Amino acid sequence: DVKVTQSSRYLVKRTGEKVFLECVQDMDHENMFWYRQDPGLGLRLIYFSYDVKMKEKGDIPEGYSVSREKKERFSLILESASTNQTSMYLCASFSSYNSPLHFGNGTRLTVT
Amino acid sequence: TQLLEQSPQFLSIQEGENLTVYCNSSSVFSSLQWYRQEPGEGPVLLVTVVTGGEVKKLKRLTFQFGDARKDSSLHITAAQPGDTGLYLCAGYINDYKLSFGAGTTVTVRA
Repeated sequence: DVKVTQSSRYLVKRTGEKVFLECVQDMDHENMFWYRQDPGLGLRLIYFSYDVKMKEKGDIPEGYSVSREKKERFSLILESASTNQTSMYLCASFSSYNSPLHFGNGTRLTVT
Repeated sequence: TQLLEQSPQFLSIQEGENLTVYCNSSSVFSSLQWYRQEPGEGPVLLVTVVTGGEVKKLKRLTFQFGDARKDSSLHITAAQPGDTGLYLCAGYINDYKLSFGAGTTVTVRA
């Protein structure tokens, strides 16, 4: 079974702090994704990566950056957290087109 | 603006009733996926439909892909409390990028 693990279930940070969200997958998937989920808006893609050190902007990359130094690990970085970044963050991976997207259980981030 | 529009946004029914969730777009998709998300967990894939007009059944769940590949529906027969969750449809924009609908929250009361 594919496992996608997000390092924290809940995080509370202050405005202006630098925040790191970590994600690890154990199935050797090349493709990894970061989404944020907000009520009524569904899942919106922040960034994705299709290979080590490769990254592409999604629909809402502003205020975020990512790092993929190893195949299994994809990190989301909030350079200077703001209250409008309070959200549920979901990491996912898949092996290829049309295959299932495997999600972690999410990190609920609150920025105060 | 969502590329995929889901309706209704919320659905609350009694155990044993049937329900249908709709996913519509003005765009053509090569395939659509349906996911279910339970509280505190990430979404889990239920099905992928790839052919226009395709119907797939998963026990009491029936998924249909429109002939023009712009819409899809999920029908649940004799709903049970275990069917409670957030149902999301998603379509591929390109080889890597899935676009998700806003979701339909289904509550089945015992």
